[in-house]
Amino acid sequence: DAKTTQPNSMESNEEEPVHLPCNHSTISGTDYIHWYRQLPSQGPEYVIHGLTSNVNNRMASLAIAEDRKSSTLILHRATLRDAAVYYCILRPPGGKSGTYKYIFGTGTRLKVLA
Amino acid sequence: NAGVTQTPKFQVLKTGQSMTLQCAQDMNHNSMYWYRQDPGMGLRLIYYSASEGTTDKGEVPNGYNVSRLNKREFSLRLESAAPSQTSVYFCASRPGQGVTGELFFGEGSRLTVL
Repeated sequence: DAKTTQPNSMESNEEEPVHLPCNHSTISGTDYIHWYRQLPSQGPEYVIHGLTSNVNNRMASLAIAEDRKSSTLILHRATLRDAAVYYCILRPPGGKSGTYKYIFGTGTRLKVLA
Repeated sequence: NAGVTQTPKFQVLKTGQSMTLQCAQDMNHNSMYWYRQDPGMGLRLIYYSASEGTTDKGEVPNGYNVSRLNKREFSLRLESAAPSQTSVYFCASRPGQGVTGELFFGEGSRLTVL
């Protein structure tokens, strides 16, 4: 399975944009890039995903490098509620059982400063 | 909306005891997953299931058994608990094969093995 590399921690000021990087140099052509976040004492929640093109949703934007070896999750205006651990995950194609393995790494702990 | 429900939320076991963690989802999802999260660490996949009657090993299956009882329920059993299995356990589900359909997580079950 392809691996992802993320910084252990980052800090941001409230109401400023945050760019969370993820390296995935061994990504295959069929791997989707998914981002999840885990708020304190909660289970992870979905943020965004993409394959090749940049993606936007109400929570964030995902910028994918042209060679797909890296991606960046962008929070346009960080709030205190965005303080969480952010996980970048590569989702390979379904196996023989027809479902997908989601392997989480250690993620990036984002601290938002008031 | 219940989503993914895990029981129990907290459990203390003695070494060698057995127990079953229960997970149920009411979203008619096909795929279900069990993860464990040790303090300060990311999530590690234990087992997953594409559909009723099928299960696959994840990253750390040793010491665990699973049962996909029906489409709604996916249980995780520890036959002989060890202190190394002290962790927070998360169950998740997703709709099934296809691009869309993110993982939905439960609130977690905190297990301590003395």
